[in-house]
Amino acid sequence: DTAVSQTPKYLVTQMGNDKSIKCEQNLGHDTMYWYKQDSKKFLKIMFSYNNKELIINETVPNRFSPKSPDKAHLNLHINSLELGDSAVYFCASSPGSSYSGANVLTFGAGSRLTVL
Amino acid sequence: DQQVKQNSPSLSVQEGRISILNCDYTNSMFDYFLWYKKYPAEGPTFLISISSIKDKNEDGRFTVFLNKSAKHLSLHIVPSQPGDSAVYFCAASARKSSGDKLTFGTGTRLAVRP
Repeated sequence: DTAVSQTPKYLVTQMGNDKSIKCEQNLGHDTMYWYKQDSKKFLKIMFSYNNKELIINETVPNRFSPKSPDKAHLNLHINSLELGDSAVYFCASSPGSSYSGANVLTFGAGSRLTVL
Repeated sequence: DQQVKQNSPSLSVQEGRISILNCDYTNSMFDYFLWYKKYPAEGPTFLISISSIKDKNEDGRFTVFLNKSAKHLSLHIVPSQPGDSAVYFCAASARKSSGDKLTFGTGTRLAVRP
């Protein structure tokens, strides 16, 4: 039973298209994240939501819009895709800052996005 | 501005010997450090962590050492096993100022030779 699942695992698309990546966690965690791993292997945080509320929004183009319909889901929608958006996107969750070990994130397997 | 650095992109160790992975950081506000392990086509998985109030934390074959004055931490794996072959990421957070935000290094690929 996958704890953090994200779909699709692979996504190949043309420049200018709009695409979404979905994420769901069944751990009962309060906080969810999107991280991006670029070609240089940097894992950088993009967004963090706590109980459906945006709490971290790094310097990310506003073509990227996260949506959290409930605390178990955090989807990432990307408009007008560019070549530089090609990366692996990881969803993660954690218990939330009120718990000990709050920084222990559980990651999904990643979604590899390729923009042609 | 790379606040967490893993200067060795790769490391090869003989099975049964000790693996030592290093990590340096620049942000003195970091107060919690973690190591994650990543296999190909999988997400990073949590391995071990240490709070800045400690200088050592041990969990089975894995020990993390923290030297705050040098802003340096290391992960020791002993004895190393072929199944330990993976990419290891060091991560840090400044919980008082940035909450749950983790800053990651670029990883060190460990290969354990049978």
